[in-house]
Amino acid sequence: DAGVTQSPTHLIKTRGQQVTLRCSPKSGHDTVSWYQQALGQGPQFIFQYYEEEERQRGNFPDRFSGHQFPNYSSELNVNALLLGDSALYLCASSLVGAWETQYFGPGTRLLVL
Amino acid sequence: AQSVTQLDSHVSVSEGTPVLLRCNYSSSYSPSLFWYVQHPNKGLQLLLKYTSAATLVKGINGFEAEFKKSETSFHLTKPSAHMSDAAEYFCVVSAGGSQGNLIFGKGTKLSVKP
Repeated sequence: DAGVTQSPTHLIKTRGQQVTLRCSPKSGHDTVSWYQQALGQGPQFIFQYYEEEERQRGNFPDRFSGHQFPNYSSELNVNALLLGDSALYLCASSLVGAWETQYFGPGTRLLVL
Repeated sequence: AQSVTQLDSHVSVSEGTPVLLRCNYSSSYSPSLFWYVQHPNKGLQLLLKYTSAATLVKGINGFEAEFKKSETSFHLTKPSAHMSDAAEYFCVVSAGGSQGNLIFGKGTKLSVKP
């Protein structure tokens, strides 16, 4: 049973560029959440997708957007990258009826220069 | 609003000795609480969760945590540390209701000395 997978594992971008990160949920899961983990900090909630719609959103600017596909996979897009966007981006999947139990992927480490 | 505070940023123990990682929570109602572990260059793994059933919760790899409402605490313990337990540990509370987010503490780095 494949767990949560994310791609790419590492990414280097420059300020002002745009980036797309991808996530495939655990088999059978229908809900995907995204978190940002800055160095030395705990993860912070960005947003959650269910039925291809954004259900909840954390305190992140509109530069952060997402999408969920019919197969439940998801993308996180960040526009106009800032140095402060450098972080580990984590995807978590869950079942809508049990969303509190979230299974995390290994993350994508983004470095903005 | 829900929040968690991990009282130690770094804990160091010797192999074979007990582990205690401390966490206090703040919640306007009965919370769901979790402990996650993060090994270097790996994703977060759920150790255990409390969802208003038994106050003593047993998790994987010999870890357990006790929910104490009177003390608003949810400390993580293990009787005997292994070298493989060295990692970052996060105490987590759910935002609650229909909200989809988990709220993480800042983490406690556990070091295990041989």
